Amino acid sequence: EDKVVQSPLSLVVHEGDTVTLNCSYEVTNFRSLLWYKQEKKAPTFLFMLTSSGIEKKSGRLSSILDKKELFSILNITATQTGDSAVYLCAVPTSGTYKYIFGTGTRLKVLA
Amino acid sequence: DSGVTQTPKHLITATGQRVTLRCSPRSGDLSVYWYQQSLDQGLQFLIQYYNGEERAKGNILERFSAQQFPDLHSELNLSSLELGDSALYFCASSAPSQGNEQFFGPGTRLTVL
Repeated sequence: EDKVVQSPLSLVVHEGDTVTLNCSYEVTNFRSLLWYKQEKKAPTFLFMLTSSGIEKKSGRLSSILDKKELFSILNITATQTGDSAVYLCAVPTSGTYKYIFGTGTRLKVLA
Repeated sequence: DSGVTQTPKHLITATGQRVTLRCSPRSGDLSVYWYQQSLDQGLQFLIQYYNGEERAKGNILERFSAQQFPDLHSELNLSSLELGDSALYFCASSAPSQGNEQFFGPGTRLTVL
């Protein structure tokens, strides 16, 4: 059965800390992995990863994919209170357009 | 603002009733996805339409149905509502040129009393 597992479930850090969020997956015919940030309402797109070892960066956020070990990490450096959110990863399943989302990592950044 | 609109924002109704949630995708997007998010279940994929045709089905109950119209807006119909159907329902859209990136609407919060 295809699945996506995120860890940790929850994380509390202080401003300025660096955090690493994990997403592991098991899907056949992997195509891509997506990261989203969900604050109060709708998820907003962060990154889409398709190739192993190529880092995607956007400001203080970066992400990388390891297709051999079947996981991705999302790094946030110099965290700010505005980074507080639930971070979701998602993978489209084999041969379909059905997306499986992980349960998310809830990040809280304290001032 | 993602460009995806959903109405209504909030809906409160009683068990046994039927409701319709509406979604308008971003201009030019042909794909529409419906998701259910409840506290204990996370984000669950329900169904996807592409240019009017059903393309993928997830964990959608038989009491739920959806369609995508020629103008590409989509409706999700929920009938014989139960307390457990209370959730946030998101619609997302995507364009083929952007690969798998989905843009989410603000959601409809459904409360079944």
